[in-house]
Amino acid sequence: GAGVSQSPSNKVTEKGKDVELRCDPISGHTALYWYRQRLGQGLEFLIYFQGNSAPDKSGLPSDRFSAERTGESVSTLTIQRTQQEDSAVYLCASSLRTVSGYTFGSGTRLTVV
Amino acid sequence: RKEVEQDPGPFNVPEGATVAFNCTYSNSASQSFFWYRQDCRKEPKLLMSVYSSGNEDGRFTAQLNRASQYISLLIRDSKLSDSATYLCVVYILTGGGNKLTFGTGTQLKVEL
Repeated sequence: GAGVSQSPSNKVTEKGKDVELRCDPISGHTALYWYRQRLGQGLEFLIYFQGNSAPDKSGLPSDRFSAERTGESVSTLTIQRTQQEDSAVYLCASSLRTVSGYTFGSGTRLTVV
Repeated sequence: RKEVEQDPGPFNVPEGATVAFNCTYSNSASQSFFWYRQDCRKEPKLLMSVYSSGNEDGRFTAQLNRASQYISLLIRDSKLSDSATYLCVVYILTGGGNKLTFGTGTQLKVEL
C-alpha cells in the first residue's frame, strides 16, 4: 500500500478482555516496529521485526503482550487481559532499510475502561 | 541516564524567529540520527536525517557532533505551521537487533 495502515483506529475495551491490533506495512518494507505512546509521553519501544523474526522483544512490558508477523508483511500485536495502564496509542512503523527513516501508521488509540 | 535526552520545552517564539533544539545521546555506537516532527494527536513524521557533515533542508539545518554525542536542529524564519513537537531519534545496531530510540520531544509553539 501507499502508507502504513493500522486497524482499528480506535478501540475501547473492558478491563480483562483481549485485544488484537493490526499493522499493514508499506509493501516490501522488511523492518517493522511497534511503539506505544501514552498521553503526553514519549514513544516507548515495544518490539522490532526484521522479516518475520523478532530479534528484539525487549520492550514488551509483560507476558500479556505478544506480537507476530507473517509473510514479511502484516503484523499483529495482541494484549491479553487488558489493564487500564495499557491505554495508549499503539504505533507501527516500517522501513525498507533499517538505516533509513521509518514511516509511521496513524496508530490505534486503545482505551481500557 | 536516558538513551536520548531532549529539553521538553515548550519553546514559545514569535513568527520569523530562529530557534534551535538540542539533543544528546548516551550510546556511542549509535549509527544514524533523525529528527521527526509530531503534531498533536498525530503520528510522528520524518523531518530529516542528520549527517556528520551537517545538512540543510530549506529553513531547517541539522548538525551532528559524534565526539560530544550531540545533535541539533535549527529552524530559521519560523512559521505558525512549525508548531509541533520535535523528536530526536537515534538508530542503534545492538547484539539483539536494531533499535530506533526516540527522545521525549521538544515542544515548539510559534506565535503571531
